[in-house]
Amino acid sequence: GAVVSQHPSWVICKSGTSVKIECRSLDFQATTMFWYRQFPKQSLMLMATSNEGSKATYEQGVEKDKFLINHASLTLSTLTVTSAHPEDSSFYICSVGQGEKTQYFGPGTRLLVL
Amino acid sequence: AQKVTQAQTEISVVEKEDVTLDCVYETRDTTYYLFWYKQPPSGELVFLIRRNSFDEQNEISGRYSWNFQKSTSSFNFTITASQVVDSAVYFCALSAPGAQKLVFGQGTRLTINP
Repeated sequence: GAVVSQHPSWVICKSGTSVKIECRSLDFQATTMFWYRQFPKQSLMLMATSNEGSKATYEQGVEKDKFLINHASLTLSTLTVTSAHPEDSSFYICSVGQGEKTQYFGPGTRLLVL
Repeated sequence: AQKVTQAQTEISVVEKEDVTLDCVYETRDTTYYLFWYKQPPSGELVFLIRRNSFDEQNEISGRYSWNFQKSTSSFNFTITASQVVDSAVYFCALSAPGAQKLVFGQGTRLTINP
């Protein structure tokens, strides 16, 4: 399956700062990547679908101006949490889908906003 | 709308016992895919199995087996002779064709005690 990496693996930042998370597909050209968020002891919730060369599609309730997504190449999508606040602290996971078949997930990024 | 229900929030068994994790889904699509993922304490999601809606054959992979029954909209997962390394959170997920994005259940935290 596809190999997906994320950077950083964890980050601590002050409230009000912006944080960028990178998701890379190492061995597969991904026109579509997905960003999920997982709060402690909860399930994964899809935030947005990242489309290479076009605007991301956001799920209902996710602020597109707060969670900026850029998918500039077939192997890289970035998620920027702008003006982060403590309630944004979460585990952010990206995935790469191989058609309809299987999604392969990155190792995740733990964000802690103080 | 699609929905996945994993009614068992937490399960704890002693090593070598068999354990079954339940998954019930709802969808109006006639074609869909079902998945199981394992999330160990590290957080990374590990793909276990994908099943399409037209394939109701049960599957066995080592100590793991899956029972798909469309009549009851269930896709249950059984681990036989459980081991401590099986301790993790297990997620059942559903996707529609073309959509790629996954709808996850709430997850079942499985603890295997030595």
